[in-house]
Amino acid sequence: DAGVTQSPTHLIKTRGQQVTLRCSPKSGHDTVSWYQQALGQGPQFIFQYYEEEERQRGNFPDRFSGHQFPNYSSELNVNALLLGDSALYLCASSSYRTAYSGNTIYFGEGSWLTVV
Amino acid sequence: GNSVTQMEGPVTLSEEAFLTINCTYTATGYPSLFWYVQYPGEGLQLLLKATKADDKGSNKGFEATYRKETTSFHLEKGSVQVSDSAVYFCAGMDSNYQLIWGAGTKLIIKP
Repeated sequence: DAGVTQSPTHLIKTRGQQVTLRCSPKSGHDTVSWYQQALGQGPQFIFQYYEEEERQRGNFPDRFSGHQFPNYSSELNVNALLLGDSALYLCASSSYRTAYSGNTIYFGEGSWLTVV
Repeated sequence: GNSVTQMEGPVTLSEEAFLTINCTYTATGYPSLFWYVQYPGEGLQLLLKATKADDKGSNKGFEATYRKETTSFHLEKGSVQVSDSAVYFCAGMDSNYQLIWGAGTKLIIKP
């Protein structure tokens, strides 16, 4: 049973470019959340998708957008990249019904984005 | 709003030493609290959790007790090993069932 898979694992982009990161949730999970983790800091919640809709959003600008597909996989898109967007982007999957318990949240290994 | 504060690292200990990593939280009500661990090059893994006051979470020799009176959830281990070297994150769950994270504490264990 595969856990949460993310791609790519590392990428380098130039300021002003756009990037798309991908996540496949753990089998049986229907909810995907995205987090940004800057070096030396804790993760910051970006948004959460369930039933192909954005359900919750953290304090991130509209340059950050996402999508969830019928198979529950998800994409995170960042437009007009800034140097400050350099970070580890983590995907977390869970079951919407049991998200409250916390112990059904599984994280991928993340996508390292460097903006130069 | 809710917030989680944990001690800054790095924390450097010798093998078999006693470990404490402090974590305090500010929240409305009494949220579920968690410790996650991030080993080098890996994603976040749930280490332990507590869902109400006086609960004690434990796993792999680590323990943390949910102290309502001090709003704390300190992580402890009686005898650390080199393999425990990692970054440890304290987190609380807000009313929207999202995790609020501390900044992380890097733990270095020397043989």
